[in-house]
Amino acid sequence: GQQLNQSPQSMFIQEGEDVSMNCTSSSIFNTWLWYKQDPGEGPVLLIALYKAGELTSNGRLTAQFGITRKDSFLNISASIPSDVGIYFCAGRGTGNQFYFGTGTSLTVIP
Amino acid sequence: DGGITQSPKYLFRKEGQNVTLSCEQNLNHDAMYWYRQDPGQGLRLIYYSQIVNDFQKGDIAEGYSVSREKKESFPLTVTSAQKNPTAFYLCASSIRSRDRVNTEAFFGQGTRLTVV
Repeated sequence: GQQLNQSPQSMFIQEGEDVSMNCTSSSIFNTWLWYKQDPGEGPVLLIALYKAGELTSNGRLTAQFGITRKDSFLNISASIPSDVGIYFCAGRGTGNQFYFGTGTSLTVIP
Repeated sequence: DGGITQSPKYLFRKEGQNVTLSCEQNLNHDAMYWYRQDPGQGLRLIYYSQIVNDFQKGDIAEGYSVSREKKESFPLTVTSAQKNPTAFYLCASSIRSRDRVNTEAFFGQGTRLTVV
């Protein structure tokens, strides 16, 4: 099965800093999704993207659907301690399966 | 409130025993999925179902079985044939867009299975 390449694998940042992470695929996707997972919990959907070039915000989070349809980016502005967690990207092509990235672990230092 | 409910949250079983994980949704979603998550790894698809009485194998279906007798329910059985069953199991469901293609996937809270 396909797994997406997500980077960086982990990040340690100071509170208030901005965060950027990205996800790439060898295949074209029609949908890109970004999730946050807290320890021992299920992933929670943050942002959904449906069109190449689309830029969508959800509070301090902004995500973009790459124009090549093979990548996506997530930015978090002015990080706060509750942003700590693992962030996953997911993509869907022409089929019905969702493929997930390997996750970016974010640590925010107060 | 609408959502996806997985039970139990923690499950312990002896090696060689079959065990069934429950997943129920009241979102009226057509599609349901089971994923396995191991420490430090992403989600790997075990099985998925698009409609009642139909399901397809994912990437790691060996040692697992499912049923979809009702739209709301998609139980997963971890059989004794699964060589390394200890993991965090996540159930998800998704809506369909007008073009009948699944859109977002929403997850339950997960079941942590430990086989001793």
